[in-house]
Amino acid sequence: DAKTTQPTSMDCAEGRAANLPCNHSTISGNEYVYWYRQIHSQGPQYIIHGLKNNETNEMASLIITEDRKSSTLILPHATLRDTAVYYCIVRVANTNAGKSTFGDGTTLTVKP
Amino acid sequence: GAGVSQSPSNKVTEKGKDVELRCDPISGHTALYWYRQRLGQGLEFLIYFQGNSAPDKSGLPSDRFSAERTGESVSTLTIQRTQQEDSAVYLCASSQSFTVFYTEAFFGQGTRLTVV
Repeated sequence: DAKTTQPTSMDCAEGRAANLPCNHSTISGNEYVYWYRQIHSQGPQYIIHGLKNNETNEMASLIITEDRKSSTLILPHATLRDTAVYYCIVRVANTNAGKSTFGDGTTLTVKP
Repeated sequence: GAGVSQSPSNKVTEKGKDVELRCDPISGHTALYWYRQRLGQGLEFLIYFQGNSAPDKSGLPSDRFSAERTGESVSTLTIQRTQQEDSAVYLCASSQSFTVFYTEAFFGQGTRLTVV
């Protein structure tokens, strides 16, 4: 699996957009970008994934650069409950995704 | 049950002792995973069970770690001769199959293991 790098921590004001970057410069053509988050010590929660097109769902948007070497997760209107550790991982679709090892992620703190 | 259940929720043990952690997956989920999460770090894959197939043990850090699962039911993770570096939260997850892990995996609340 391609390695990803993320900033250790970020702050965001409540109600503003949170933009979380992820670098995956060694991503291969058949690897998807997946985002998860983990609140406190709960299990990770799936957020969104994409291959090369930008994606949007009820939780977030995912912007992938044209060269696919980096991506940004956007939480359009962050709330205090979005405070969590956000993980970016890359994986070939339909492989055993559960065998991924999540890196240290980005700790997002949403402040009032 | 309604979700993945893990027990105990907390375990304090003395260095050198053996511990057993239990995971009750969601009924009907054939895929079951164990992870370790050290304080301030991401999830580290340990072992994967799929139905009655031989488990994938590729993530186990040493031979002190082992896990069992009978069919599609309960799984136990055993750590022998515990060391202080084994202190972590151990998470279990299950899904209907590995192909839907990303969107349909369910995690337990974890067992916080402290080795003193």
